[in-house]
Amino acid sequence: QKEVEQNSGPLSVPEGAIASLNCTYSDRGSQSFFWYRQYSGKSPELIMFIYSNGDKEDGRFTAQLNKASQYVSLLIRDSQPSDSATYLCAVITSGTYKYIFGTGTRLKVLA
Amino acid sequence: EPEVTQTPSHQVTQMGQEVILRCVPISNHLYFYWYRQILGQKVEFLVSFYNNEISEKSEIFDDQFSVERPDGSNFTLKIRSTKLEDSAMYFCASSASPSDIQYFGAGTRLSVL
Repeated sequence: QKEVEQNSGPLSVPEGAIASLNCTYSDRGSQSFFWYRQYSGKSPELIMFIYSNGDKEDGRFTAQLNKASQYVSLLIRDSQPSDSATYLCAVITSGTYKYIFGTGTRLKVLA
Repeated sequence: EPEVTQTPSHQVTQMGQEVILRCVPISNHLYFYWYRQILGQKVEFLVSFYNNEISEKSEIFDDQFSVERPDGSNFTLKIRSTKLEDSAMYFCASSASPSDIQYFGAGTRLSVL
């Protein structure tokens, strides 16, 4: 069974701090990695995607991928209360094109 | 900006009834997906669809479920005889290529009474 694991949280950070969200996956052949944000009762909204080892930055967000450790993370700099949401890690594993989602990490940014 | 559109936003039905959830994927996308999310749980894959046939389905997607692309724009999920445990948010998604970003619709909340 191919798994994607996330700490469910909540992760609480003060406004302006860096939030660090982590995700591990079990299938070493996974190729594509995505971070989505989901507000309560709403649909997943794409934040970042990453395909290669290393860091990828987009505004306040940085995705980090380490395929050797089967680990992908999302850093949110200068966290704002509006960033409070559940962050979903999604992985496309080898031999398939479906997303496997983690349970999500609930982030609370305290004003 | 192109978006995936789902209707209805909320569907209430009696156990044993048939429901059809509708989706209009992004117009130039060729790959279509249904996912569901039971309240408080993770998003789960149901089925993927390409070139007018199912390309992959999960264990959840049993004989009670079917998908169809009845015309050039709509993509539907039918549940033949709903059960209480089918109550969930159902999300449609589409992508331009199979390993590409999937864009999600706003979802249909299905309540089975």
